[in-house]
Amino acid sequence: QVQLVESGGGVVQPGRSLRLSCAASGFTFSAYPMHWVRQAPGKGLEWVAVISSDGSTTYYAGSVKGRFTISRDNSKNTLYLQMNSLETEDTAVYYCARYYDISGLRWFDPWGQGTPVTVSS
Amino acid sequence: DIQLTQSPSFLSASVGDRVTITCRASQGISSHLAWYQQKPGKAPKLLIYAASTLQSGVPSRFSGSGSGTEFILTIRSLEPEDFATYYCQQVSVYPVTFGQGTRLEIK
Repeated sequence: QVQLVESGGGVVQPGRSLRLSCAASGFTFSAYPMHWVRQAPGKGLEWVAVISSDGSTTYYAGSVKGRFTISRDNSKNTLYLQMNSLETEDTAVYYCARYYDISGLRWFDPWGQGTPVTVSS
Repeated sequence: DIQLTQSPSFLSASVGDRVTITCRASQGISSHLAWYQQKPGKAPKLLIYAASTLQSGVPSRFSGSGSGTEFILTIRSLEPEDFATYYCQQVSVYPVTFGQGTRLEIK
């Protein structure tokens, strides 16, 4: 079945780096753009970044632009989020999600189970 | 950025009730709106896309309507498993944005 599994989360000090991974299975990973979305404790959903199916195009939320880098390895069916210069405000559960964009119809499905990131000294 | 405002932010209802949640966009987004359900400790689940198309496997008591700047999610007859938080999302332009969420609780 279609599945996304995130990993790489943990506790990190402010200013340090962390790389998240999202392993995809059950579908042709290279055919789909992919997103990262995060959710701070007790808060709503915040979109983080998107990458095109071939990895050539990316967009970022203003809050992470210049610090985070989204990338993918289609040969490994894996999506990444490199997070540098982490701030306490980056503390959240990070989800990856597959993006459907077909004939103007667009949605995120499925989502991974999430990986928690805590930025704290 | 396009701002999405959901109302109400909190809703208390009983099993069997009909409820509606409104999502207003700060500018027109055509029908590029999706609705998600999220339960505590779980990932969001897609309910509706393109404002009114029910995702496969989602019960028919859920429905969506609207276009432009005003959208509505309706749950026709609440079941116990429907008590959760609901988010609207615009996928018209980047950055993608979400509403602040509507928490639906049992009365």
